[in-house]
Amino acid sequence: GQQLNQSPQSMFIQEGEDVSMNCTSSSIFNTWLWYKQDPGEGPVLLIALYKAGELTSNGRLTAQFGITRKDSFLNISASIPSDVGIYFCAGHVYGGSQGNLIFGKGTKLSVKP
Amino acid sequence: KAGVTQTPRYLIKTRGQQVTLSCSPISGHRSVSWYQQTPGQGLQFLFEYFSETQRNKGNFPGRFSGRQFSNSRSEMNVSTLELGDSALYLCASSWGSGGRTDTQYFGPGTRLTVL
Repeated sequence: GQQLNQSPQSMFIQEGEDVSMNCTSSSIFNTWLWYKQDPGEGPVLLIALYKAGELTSNGRLTAQFGITRKDSFLNISASIPSDVGIYFCAGHVYGGSQGNLIFGKGTKLSVKP
Repeated sequence: KAGVTQTPRYLIKTRGQQVTLSCSPISGHRSVSWYQQTPGQGLQFLFEYFSETQRNKGNFPGRFSGRQFSNSRSEMNVSTLELGDSALYLCASSWGSGGRTDTQYFGPGTRLTVL
């Protein structure tokens, strides 16, 4: 099936540092979404991207839809302890069903105060 | 506006039993998708329901089934439970338009443990 390669798998950073993570695929995607999941909870939508080249911010978070439509990145600036969690990229494959999101394996972020 | 709700939040079952999980979508949303999340496989798509009809299905055995009611609430059923069915089951709702901006919003999940 379709796969998204998300990296890095985990990050351990100091509070105040910037964070960058990305997702790549061999398939073209129509949309790219970034979710954050806290332990025992469902994923919460952070940023949605709908057009190739689109750059969108949500507070300290910035994400971009790659121009090739096969990748996306998420940056977090000036990390704080509440940024801890697992970040997932997800998307809809071009020509696929909108009801079926493909997910990356996640990036586990740990922030040291 | 209330978010996606799932009940129960936690379940413990034994092998061979069956289980039914419930999901209430965001008001006005007509599409409900179900996902299974495990440490090894990550988040995997089970199926999607729209207007009481299954619109899309993932690669899971027939023991996994679902349905949707006229009020858009959805249930999923797993029969003859196996140890490997232990997972967090997530449902997500969206308007269901099928357009690229039709974003999915997730519930908190049901943690199923099979002993």
